[in-house]
Amino acid sequence: DSGVTQTPKHLITATGQRVTLRCSPRSGDLSVYWYQQSLDQGLQFLIQYYNGEERAKGNILERFSAQQFPDLHSELNLSSLELGDSALYFCASSPFGESSYEQYFGPGTRLTVT
Amino acid sequence: AQKVTQAQTEISVVEKEDVTLDCVYETRDTTYYLFWYKQPPSGELVFLIRRNSFDEQNEISGRYSWNFQKSTSSFNFTITASQVVDSAVYFCALTAGGTSYGKLTFGQGTILTVHP
Repeated sequence: DSGVTQTPKHLITATGQRVTLRCSPRSGDLSVYWYQQSLDQGLQFLIQYYNGEERAKGNILERFSAQQFPDLHSELNLSSLELGDSALYFCASSPFGESSYEQYFGPGTRLTVT
Repeated sequence: AQKVTQAQTEISVVEKEDVTLDCVYETRDTTYYLFWYKQPPSGELVFLIRRNSFDEQNEISGRYSWNFQKSTSSFNFTITASQVVDSAVYFCALTAGGTSYGKLTFGQGTILTVHP
Protein backbone atom coordinates (compact mmCIF):
# COMPACT_ATOMS: atom_id res chain seq x y z
CA ASP A 1 0.00 0.00 0.00
CA SER A 2 1.63 3.23 -1.19
CA GLY A 3 -0.47 5.49 1.02
CA VAL A 4 -1.98 7.26 -1.99
CA THR A 5 -5.73 6.77 -2.33
CA GLN A 6 -7.87 7.21 -5.39
CA THR A 7 -11.62 7.11 -5.80
CA PRO A 8 -13.54 5.70 -7.45
CA LYS A 9 -11.78 2.51 -8.45
CA HIS A 10 -13.94 2.01 -11.52
CA LEU A 11 -16.10 4.41 -13.46
CA ILE A 12 -18.34 3.65 -16.42
CA THR A 13 -19.96 6.54 -18.21
CA ALA A 14 -21.27 7.58 -21.58
CA THR A 15 -19.75 9.78 -24.25
CA GLY A 16 -20.32 13.48 -23.69
CA GLN A 17 -20.49 13.14 -19.92
CA ARG A 18 -18.28 14.69 -17.25
CA VAL A 19 -16.55 12.86 -14.40
CA THR A 20 -14.35 13.75 -11.45
CA LEU A 21 -11.54 11.58 -10.21
CA ARG A 22 -10.25 12.12 -6.70
CA CYS A 23 -6.81 11.60 -5.19
CA SER A 24 -5.46 11.88 -1.66
CA PRO A 25 -1.67 12.00 -1.49
CA ARG A 26 0.50 10.30 1.12
CA SER A 27 0.54 12.06 4.44
CA GLY A 28 2.97 14.98 4.26
CA ASP A 29 3.42 14.93 0.48
CA LEU A 30 2.89 18.32 -1.12
CA SER A 31 3.11 17.35 -4.77
CA VAL A 32 0.48 15.49 -6.78
CA TYR A 33 0.91 14.16 -10.31
CA TRP A 34 -1.72 12.77 -12.68
CA TYR A 35 -0.92 10.18 -15.35
CA GLN A 36 -2.99 8.42 -17.97
CA GLN A 37 -2.31 4.84 -19.03
CA SER A 38 -3.87 3.63 -22.26
CA LEU A 39 -3.03 0.79 -24.60
CA ASP A 40 -2.06 3.02 -27.51
CA GLN A 41 -0.33 5.88 -25.64
CA GLY A 42 1.21 4.02 -22.73
CA LEU A 43 1.81 5.93 -19.50
CA GLN A 44 1.67 9.67 -20.05
CA PHE A 45 2.12 12.55 -17.66
CA LEU A 46 -0.87 14.89 -17.56
CA ILE A 47 -0.35 17.54 -14.90
CA GLN A 48 1.38 18.30 -11.60
CA TYR A 49 0.33 20.38 -8.61
CA TYR A 50 2.54 21.48 -5.78
CA ASN A 51 1.02 22.84 -2.60
CA GLY A 52 -2.09 24.02 -4.40
CA GLU A 53 -0.40 25.54 -7.44
CA GLU A 54 -0.13 24.09 -10.92
CA ARG A 55 3.55 23.43 -11.59
CA ALA A 56 3.92 21.42 -14.76
CA LYS A 57 1.68 20.43 -17.62
CA GLY A 58 2.06 17.54 -20.00
CA ASN A 59 -0.18 16.09 -22.67
CA ILE A 60 -3.41 17.13 -21.02
CA LEU A 61 -6.40 17.83 -23.24
CA GLU A 62 -8.28 21.11 -22.91
CA ARG A 63 -11.36 19.10 -21.91
CA PHE A 64 -9.46 17.96 -18.84
CA SER A 65 -8.70 20.10 -15.82
CA ALA A 66 -7.37 19.54 -12.35
CA GLN A 67 -6.93 21.28 -9.06
CA GLN A 68 -5.34 20.73 -5.69
CA PHE A 69 -7.21 21.84 -2.60
CA PRO A 70 -5.89 23.34 0.66
CA ASP A 71 -6.00 19.91 2.32
CA LEU A 72 -3.76 18.76 -0.57
CA HIS A 73 -6.17 16.32 -2.13
CA SER A 74 -6.54 16.69 -5.87
CA GLU A 75 -9.29 16.22 -8.39
CA LEU A 76 -9.04 15.55 -12.12
CA ASN A 77 -12.09 16.64 -14.09
CA LEU A 78 -12.74 15.09 -17.47
CA SER A 79 -15.52 16.57 -19.60
CA SER A 80 -17.14 15.95 -22.98
CA LEU A 81 -15.86 12.42 -22.70
CA GLU A 82 -14.96 10.47 -25.80
CA LEU A 83 -14.42 6.76 -26.31
CA GLY A 84 -10.69 7.40 -26.55
CA ASP A 85 -10.61 8.75 -22.99
CA SER A 86 -11.11 5.24 -21.68
CA ALA A 87 -7.96 4.53 -19.70
CA LEU A 88 -6.45 3.93 -16.30
CA TYR A 89 -5.82 7.23 -14.53
CA PHE A 90 -3.14 7.28 -11.88
CA CYS A 91 -2.39 9.82 -9.25
CA ALA A 92 1.06 9.91 -7.67
CA SER A 93 2.53 11.96 -4.86
CA SER A 94 5.96 12.98 -3.65
CA PRO A 95 7.19 15.07 -0.73
CA PHE A 96 8.18 18.04 -2.88
CA GLY A 97 7.93 18.98 -6.51
CA GLU A 98 11.49 18.24 -7.54
CA SER A 99 12.74 15.40 -9.67
CA SER A 100 14.96 14.01 -6.95
CA TYR A 101 12.06 12.46 -5.11
CA GLU A 102 10.40 9.24 -6.13
CA GLN A 103 6.71 9.25 -6.80
CA TYR A 104 4.34 6.84 -5.11
CA PHE A 105 1.33 5.85 -7.14
CA GLY A 106 -2.23 5.23 -6.12
CA PRO A 107 -4.18 2.16 -7.28
CA GLY A 108 -5.67 4.06 -10.23
CA THR A 109 -9.17 4.77 -11.48
CA ARG A 110 -10.27 2.74 -14.47
CA LEU A 111 -12.50 4.88 -16.67
CA THR A 112 -14.64 3.25 -19.32
CA VAL A 113 -16.49 5.49 -21.74
CA THR A 114 -19.28 3.77 -23.67
CA ALA B 1 13.05 16.03 -25.34
CA GLN B 2 13.40 12.94 -23.25
CA LYS B 3 12.84 9.41 -24.35
CA VAL B 4 12.91 5.97 -22.76
CA THR B 5 13.10 2.83 -24.84
CA GLN B 6 12.38 -0.64 -23.57
CA ALA B 7 13.07 -2.74 -26.60
CA GLN B 8 11.76 -5.97 -25.12
CA THR B 9 7.99 -5.98 -25.35
CA GLU B 10 7.57 -9.40 -23.77
CA ILE B 11 9.87 -11.85 -22.03
CA SER B 12 8.95 -15.34 -20.96
CA VAL B 13 11.13 -17.39 -18.60
CA VAL B 14 10.87 -20.43 -16.42
CA GLU B 15 11.10 -20.09 -12.68
CA LYS B 16 14.65 -19.81 -11.27
CA GLU B 17 16.03 -18.39 -14.49
CA ASP B 18 17.80 -15.05 -14.39
CA VAL B 19 16.28 -12.34 -16.56
CA THR B 20 17.48 -8.89 -17.60
CA LEU B 21 15.16 -6.12 -18.67
CA ASP B 22 16.77 -3.49 -20.87
CA CYS B 23 16.24 0.24 -20.67
CA VAL B 24 17.87 2.88 -22.86
CA TYR B 25 17.24 6.56 -22.31
CA GLU B 26 17.81 9.87 -24.09
CA THR B 27 18.12 13.24 -22.45
CA ARG B 28 20.13 16.41 -22.95
CA ASP B 29 20.11 17.22 -19.26
CA THR B 30 23.23 16.57 -17.23
CA THR B 31 21.20 16.01 -14.08
CA TYR B 32 18.50 13.41 -14.34
CA TYR B 33 16.93 10.57 -12.43
CA LEU B 34 16.04 7.07 -13.54
CA PHE B 35 13.38 4.82 -12.07
CA TRP B 36 11.97 1.35 -12.34
CA TYR B 37 8.35 0.60 -11.52
CA LYS B 38 6.52 -2.73 -11.40
CA GLN B 39 2.88 -3.12 -12.42
CA PRO B 40 1.54 -6.51 -11.28
CA PRO B 41 -1.72 -7.93 -12.68
CA SER B 42 -3.65 -6.09 -9.98
CA GLY B 43 -2.77 -2.85 -11.77
CA GLU B 44 -1.03 -0.62 -9.26
CA LEU B 45 2.40 0.87 -9.99
CA VAL B 46 5.00 -0.10 -7.43
CA PHE B 47 8.20 1.93 -7.04
CA LEU B 48 11.35 -0.23 -7.17
CA ILE B 49 14.37 2.05 -7.44
CA ARG B 50 15.66 5.54 -8.24
CA ARG B 51 19.15 6.39 -9.50
CA ASN B 52 20.78 9.79 -9.90
CA SER B 53 22.74 10.62 -13.02
CA PHE B 54 25.83 11.40 -10.97
CA ASP B 55 25.88 8.06 -9.17
CA GLU B 56 26.83 5.15 -11.41
CA GLN B 57 27.15 2.60 -8.66
CA ASN B 58 25.24 -0.55 -9.33
CA GLU B 59 22.67 -1.55 -6.78
CA ILE B 60 21.49 -4.86 -5.46
CA SER B 61 18.38 -5.47 -3.42
CA GLY B 62 17.73 -9.11 -2.72
CA ARG B 63 17.12 -10.83 -6.06
CA TYR B 64 16.98 -7.49 -7.87
CA SER B 65 19.97 -5.65 -9.27
CA TRP B 66 20.39 -2.62 -11.47
CA ASN B 67 23.20 -1.72 -13.82
CA PHE B 68 23.50 1.96 -14.70
CA GLN B 69 25.93 2.90 -17.49
CA LYS B 70 26.06 6.51 -18.60
CA SER B 71 28.40 5.67 -21.47
CA THR B 72 25.66 3.62 -23.15
CA SER B 73 22.69 5.54 -21.64
CA SER B 74 21.35 2.33 -20.18
CA PHE B 75 19.75 1.38 -16.90
CA ASN B 76 19.15 -2.36 -16.99
CA PHE B 77 17.31 -4.40 -14.40
CA THR B 78 18.15 -8.01 -13.56
CA ILE B 79 16.04 -10.43 -11.58
CA THR B 80 18.02 -13.38 -10.28
CA ALA B 81 16.30 -16.73 -9.73
CA SER B 82 12.97 -15.44 -11.00
CA GLN B 83 9.74 -16.45 -9.30
CA VAL B 84 6.14 -16.61 -10.50
CA VAL B 85 5.35 -13.57 -8.33
CA ASP B 86 7.76 -11.54 -10.48
CA SER B 87 5.30 -11.80 -13.37
CA ALA B 88 4.31 -8.20 -14.12
CA VAL B 89 4.85 -5.30 -16.46
CA TYR B 90 8.03 -3.42 -15.67
CA PHE B 91 8.48 0.22 -16.58
CA CYS B 92 11.64 2.23 -16.79
CA ALA B 93 11.17 5.99 -16.37
CA LEU B 94 13.21 9.17 -16.57
CA THR B 95 12.91 12.68 -15.23
CA ALA B 96 15.30 15.55 -15.63
CA GLY B 97 16.22 17.98 -12.95
CA GLY B 98 15.33 21.65 -12.86
CA THR B 99 12.03 22.68 -14.37
CA SER B 100 10.94 19.13 -15.11
CA TYR B 101 9.69 19.13 -11.52
CA GLY B 102 9.57 15.39 -11.48
CA LYS B 103 7.29 14.64 -14.40
CA LEU B 104 8.16 11.13 -15.48
CA THR B 105 8.69 9.94 -19.01
CA PHE B 106 7.96 6.22 -19.16
CA GLY B 107 9.11 3.53 -21.52
CA GLN B 108 6.51 1.31 -23.13
CA GLY B 109 7.02 -1.40 -20.56
CA THR B 110 8.22 -5.00 -20.67
CA ILE B 111 5.76 -7.78 -19.90
CA LEU B 112 7.55 -10.44 -17.89
CA THR B 113 5.94 -13.83 -17.52
CA VAL B 114 7.56 -16.36 -15.22
CA HIS B 115 6.29 -19.89 -15.70
CA PRO B 116 6.41 -22.45 -12.88
